[in-house]
Amino acid sequence: AQRVTQPEKLLSVFKGAPVELKCNYSYSGSPELFWYVQYSRQRLQLLLRHISRESIKGFTADLNKGETSFHLKKPFAQEEDSAMYYCAVRAALIFGKGTTLSVSS
Amino acid sequence: GAGVSQSPSNKVTEKGKDVELRCDPISGHTALYWYRQSLGQGLEFLIYFQGNSAPDKSGLPSDRFSAERTGGSVSTLTIQRTQQEDSAVYLCASSYSGHSTDTQYFGPGTRLTVL
Repeated sequence: AQRVTQPEKLLSVFKGAPVELKCNYSYSGSPELFWYVQYSRQRLQLLLRHISRESIKGFTADLNKGETSFHLKKPFAQEEDSAMYYCAVRAALIFGKGTTLSVSS
Repeated sequence: GAGVSQSPSNKVTEKGKDVELRCDPISGHTALYWYRQSLGQGLEFLIYFQGNSAPDKSGLPSDRFSAERTGGSVSTLTIQRTQQEDSAVYLCASSYSGHSTDTQYFGPGTRLTVL
């Protein structure tokens, strides 16, 4: 069965600290993986996708097929990064349950 | 340009009543998706329309839920005989082609409260 697991419901870090939001997936075939973000009172929006191999707002994510993971990382968290982050797989997106990132100064 | 729009933004209904939620996708987008966002459950896929193909209804939680997409554009999600557990934010998204690498653009959601 297709599944996305985000083990942390809430991740609290201090400004300037490194951040890693974990995502593990279960998917038969070649997965297409995404990170979506929802800032307070804003729409859910794409942050990045693995196929683009891009860095957005300082965030990167590497697909590790061996570990079936797609963890989201940022070396130095900012307060404006506080949001709900969802990892998702495939076209009709299968989402994880989300991780709330809280960055405090 | 205009993004995905949804109406109403909020809907309060009584248990047992039927509700209709509307989604206007981005013009030219052939793929349309409905999701449900509820506390503790994250985002749950409901249904997916791609062009003129038969919709993928695999995520609909019960036969009380149905959706239509008329003329390849506007979509309506209908929930019959609403239950309290249907209370959630219902999100609509559209993408250009429905390809697995396409970005999905989300609407603001409809917050449904069933009393």
